[in-house]
Amino acid sequence: EIGLTQSPDTLSLSPGERATLSCRASQSVSRNYLAWYQQKPGQAPRLLIYGASSRATGIPDRFSGSGSGTDFTLTMSRLEPEDFAVYYCQQYGSSPSFGQGTRLEIK
Amino acid sequence: QVQLVESGGGVVQPGRSLRLSCAASGFTFSNYPMHWLRQAPGKGLEWVAVISYDGVNKAYADSVKGRFTISRDNSKNTLYLQMSSLRVEDTAVYYCARDPWTTAVHYYFEYWGQGTLVTVSS
Repeated sequence: EIGLTQSPDTLSLSPGERATLSCRASQSVSRNYLAWYQQKPGQAPRLLIYGASSRATGIPDRFSGSGSGTDFTLTMSRLEPEDFAVYYCQQYGSSPSFGQGTRLEIK
Repeated sequence: QVQLVESGGGVVQPGRSLRLSCAASGFTFSNYPMHWLRQAPGKGLEWVAVISYDGVNKAYADSVKGRFTISRDNSKNTLYLQMSSLRVEDTAVYYCARDPWTTAVHYYFEYWGQGTLVTVSS
């Protein structure tokens, strides 16, 4: 199974700032099959990015994904108040696995 | 719009069984592979099982293999998860989720239900 490690565990930023979240895989992710999800308290996860860099339907363009192989990044260009949540990466190039999550909190 | 509604969760003793259901609407259910995932309280996400659009092919996480069975009834637009020999570590919110594409399984999750809580405790 491919292990995914997200960093940092917690990121404290202010609205309007830029957020960069990292996801590192224990081995290369086949075909860059890497997705990102946002989860707010008491809610189900929401798909943001798939294929490392493709935005899901209805996702604002301030969210972008990049990377390949073992290193992937989720970037939020200017944080809105509703962006503060927990973010998970997930690989689906092999048996699916998730990172442990990054909590994005208001500074 | 796509809607997935889970039901069947509750408190159950270790070793007992429970069946979860997921009612789907807003899309052609019989065209899409479907998944179950779970999230232990305060923890991360874990994929549990997948079933092909026609119910023929199934796959499971090692942690539930041999104990859980995924199934679907396309005439009722409903997905199921039969859970047997439940353990304390199976305690989690269980989500059903839709694969993003028809026919072939892609193992990422475009739409999610709101989840149903299963608590395994004596």
